[in-house]
Amino acid sequence: DQQVKQNSPSLSVQEGRISILNCDYTNSMFDYFLWYKKYPAEGPTFLISISSIKDKNEDGRFTVFLNKSAKHLSLHIVPSQPGDSAVYFCAASAAPGTYKYIFGTGTRLKVLA
Amino acid sequence: KAGVTQTPRYLIKTRGQQVTLSCSPISGHRSVSWYQQTPGQGLQFLFEYFSETQRNKGNFPGRFSGRQFSNSRSEMNVSTLELGDSALYLCASSPRTSGGTGELFFGEGSRLTVL
Repeated sequence: DQQVKQNSPSLSVQEGRISILNCDYTNSMFDYFLWYKKYPAEGPTFLISISSIKDKNEDGRFTVFLNKSAKHLSLHIVPSQPGDSAVYFCAASAAPGTYKYIFGTGTRLKVLA
Repeated sequence: KAGVTQTPRYLIKTRGQQVTLSCSPISGHRSVSWYQQTPGQGLQFLFEYFSETQRNKGNFPGRFSGRQFSNSRSEMNVSTLELGDSALYLCASSPRTSGGTGELFFGEGSRLTVL
């Protein structure tokens, strides 16, 4: 049973436009969420996180929105750049106080120049 | 500051064999986690160690085991390999924070192929 779902396996966006990556979760007890980016042949790298007590967190071009009632979070990248082309994973903290995270299956973003 | 180092980067084994993967965390990081990445499954949590103690374990069979040493380095072992164990095994370290939530710093992974 996939508790964290990324229903779009891939997304293509023009350079300069907004990229919106979506993530849904089923467990209302999740209280901390993260986004990671992964290039081929590299390990995932952390992008941005959000606690369940917030509904928005910004870091430069990246903004994460959390809608707890809908159990949905999204990552907005504005403006999108070709270097943003990668696989993006959302993750939820499954056990408070630990680093046990449940990851989604990823969305491959392609930013077209 | 050196990142998370995993060895070996690539390895090929045959069914029934066993394998040991090694991970050196970022200096000063005391928590080490292991994840398995397979196509279509994303990253799946294997286990987490902190101060040589397993703090959490994922839903994997007992063939998967791990340990952490006093210098925070960690190893994971898979015995009686099956074809389905072919995957990228990722190690991640984290600094200990008061809440225990925060980012993971991943290594580049060890890609295991089971023939």
